[in-house]
Amino acid sequence: NAGVMQNPRHLVRRRGQEARLRCSPMKGHSHVYWYRQLPEEGLKFMVYLQKENIIDESGMPKERFSAEFPKEGPSILRIQQVVRGDSAAYFCASSPFRQTNTGELFFGEGSRLTVL
Amino acid sequence: GESVGLHLPTLSVQEGDNSIINCAYSNSASDYFIWYKQESGKGPQFIIDIRSNMDKRQGQRVTVLLNKTVKHLSLQIAATQPGDSAVYFCAESSDYKLSFGAGTTVTVRA
Repeated sequence: NAGVMQNPRHLVRRRGQEARLRCSPMKGHSHVYWYRQLPEEGLKFMVYLQKENIIDESGMPKERFSAEFPKEGPSILRIQQVVRGDSAAYFCASSPFRQTNTGELFFGEGSRLTVL
Repeated sequence: GESVGLHLPTLSVQEGDNSIINCAYSNSASDYFIWYKQESGKGPQFIIDIRSNMDKRQGQRVTVLLNKTVKHLSLQIAATQPGDSAVYFCAESSDYKLSFGAGTTVTVRA
């Protein structure tokens, strides 16, 4: 039973380019969450998605960032026209239920974005 | 705004000793708390959780204590081992959203 799979693990982009980060949730999980971790900081909530729906994107910057979780395929976090401040580790988590207070929330290994 | 924070950014502990990591939270409405361990280059790994109707919960070598009066959470690791070296985060859960503290880096000395 594979865990939450994220790719790429490392991504280098120049300013102005686009970054696409992918997340395949655990089998049987239909709830996906994206978090961002800046160096020396804790994780910050970005967005919560279910299949084909964005439930809460309150933690995601209004511009340049978008997320989707299509009916088929992985969830994708897309960052357009990247800037150096976007350099961070982006973590995806999945759960079988909406609530996270069940201990059944699992994180992937993260995608580390470096913007030159 | 509401926040979850840790008292100390680093902790150095002798192998075999007990470790205590502290966390303060400010949202008195929080009803669920989790401790995560994050090793270098990896994602957060669930260690133990506790609900607000409990004061203490024990796992394998770990104990979490919750003091709602002063809004304080702690993680105790018994007989600390080299493999316990990592960054430890406390987090509070509000429905589907987790709020993390900044983390405490634990270094185990041989």
